[in-house]
Amino acid sequence: SQELEQSPQSLIVQEGKNLTINCTSSKTLYGLYWYKQKYGEGLIFLMMLQKGGEEKSHEKITAKLDEKKQQSSLHITASQPSHAGIYLCGADNTGGFKTIFGAGTRLFVKA
Amino acid sequence: GAVVSQHPSWVICKSGTSVKIECRSLDFQATTMFWYRQFPKQSLMLMATSNEGSKATYEQGVEKDKFLINHASLTLSTLTVTSAHPEDSSFYICSASRLAANNEQFFGPGTRLTVL
Repeated sequence: SQELEQSPQSLIVQEGKNLTINCTSSKTLYGLYWYKQKYGEGLIFLMMLQKGGEEKSHEKITAKLDEKKQQSSLHITASQPSHAGIYLCGADNTGGFKTIFGAGTRLFVKA
Repeated sequence: GAVVSQHPSWVICKSGTSVKIECRSLDFQATTMFWYRQFPKQSLMLMATSNEGSKATYEQGVEKDKFLINHASLTLSTLTVTSAHPEDSSFYICSASRLAANNEQFFGPGTRLTVL
C-alpha cells in the first residue's frame, strides 16, 4: 500500500524566516495535495499538484512536485504567526479515488 | 463555493450512548463523502467512503456495525457512533467531493467527540 512520509515532524521557526516541509511517497504520485489544519479544526486546501516538475504558489506558500513524482516540498517564505498549524500532504492512491495522508508537520512560528 | 459543514462541532457523551454526526455540503452536490478520524498528533485515517443511495465502503479494521454511515441525499451524510466508549473519543472529519472537481475533496471543520 502507498505511504506518505512527511519531514520534519515538527518545526519551530522565528517569524520572518523561510522553511521547507517535505512529503515523500513510497509510490508514484498521481495527485498530491497540500492542506493546512489549525489545531482541532478542519482542513484548508492549499494546492494540488499533478504533473512532474509542477510548481504552484498560494500567497507566500510554494509547493513543488519533483520530476519523478515521488516527492513534494512545501516552502514558506518570510513566515508569519498566521502560518502556524499542521501541514498535511495527501495523495490519491492507485486508482485515484481515495486520499491517503502523511502524519503532518507541526509548524510553530515565534513572534 | 464548496463549503462543507459538520454538526455538532463538539459533543460529550456518556459511555454506552450513541452519537450522530452530520456532514452537509452547503452549495454543491456531493457524489461521494468520506469520513475520517484523527487521534491526537496523528494523521487522518479514512474510515469509510459513502456514495449517495448506496451502502458505505468501510476500510479494513473499521467496524461497520459500530460506525453507521447513512448517505441519504447528495448533500447529507451522517455518521452514528453506536454504543460509544472512551476509546472512540477522537476528532471526526468528513469531506465531500463532486465529479466536476477532479476528485478534490472539501473538508468539514470536524467534530470532536469525547466519551466519558
